[in-house]
Amino acid sequence: AQSVSQHNHHVILSEAASLELGCNYSYGGTVNLFWYVQYPGQHLQLLLKYFSGDPLVKGIKGFEAEFIKSKFSFNLRKPSVQWSDTAEYFCAVIPFNTGGFKTIFGAGTRLFVKA
Amino acid sequence: DTAVSQTPKYLVTQMGNDKSIKCEQNLGHDTMYWYKQDSKKFLKIMFSYNNKELIINETVPNRFSPKSPDKAHLNLHINSLELGDSAVYFCASSQGGVGEAFFGQGTRLTVV
Repeated sequence: AQSVSQHNHHVILSEAASLELGCNYSYGGTVNLFWYVQYPGQHLQLLLKYFSGDPLVKGIKGFEAEFIKSKFSFNLRKPSVQWSDTAEYFCAVIPFNTGGFKTIFGAGTRLFVKA
Repeated sequence: DTAVSQTPKYLVTQMGNDKSIKCEQNLGHDTMYWYKQDSKKFLKIMFSYNNKELIINETVPNRFSPKSPDKAHLNLHINSLELGDSAVYFCASSQGGVGEAFFGQGTRLTVV
């Protein structure tokens, strides 16, 4: 079945540690890719997006992600996390072969950063 | 100045009741959505509307009836509420069907 997979459900890091969250998708053809963040008790906000061009995209708050087409992956990274990065992170895909209008979300990764 | 606003923020109701959630966006977007987030934080699309027209109905029970009176509004009416309807419902909007979505604050629905 077509899906979006996030490799880690829970991640615990200490402040200043580096972060990498894995995301793979199984849709063929053109896709738009996103990472969203949901801080405790809040709505989802866009961290970064990839539509085309440079496969290394930079987002807000020091986050970046790399699109590797051959691996169907879009991993999220941050060199040094802060306590305020504690949140739920969602990888998301809009596959063009379904006509759009449907963002498919991964199951989310809960990140807890220890102060 | 909230971009996507939904009301109410919390809704507690008994099984069998009918309830509505309202959503408005002031971003000038032409596409609006309803998503359901379950207790495990899994987000699933329910409906997509483009220019007031239903585009996606993701096998949602027909007890759920969305209504889009204009491009800026997408309301969700739920009939005969069941315990399994308890979740957080998010409204969102985007320009076109392939762009980033802007989400509302969510409505936490609890059916008792």
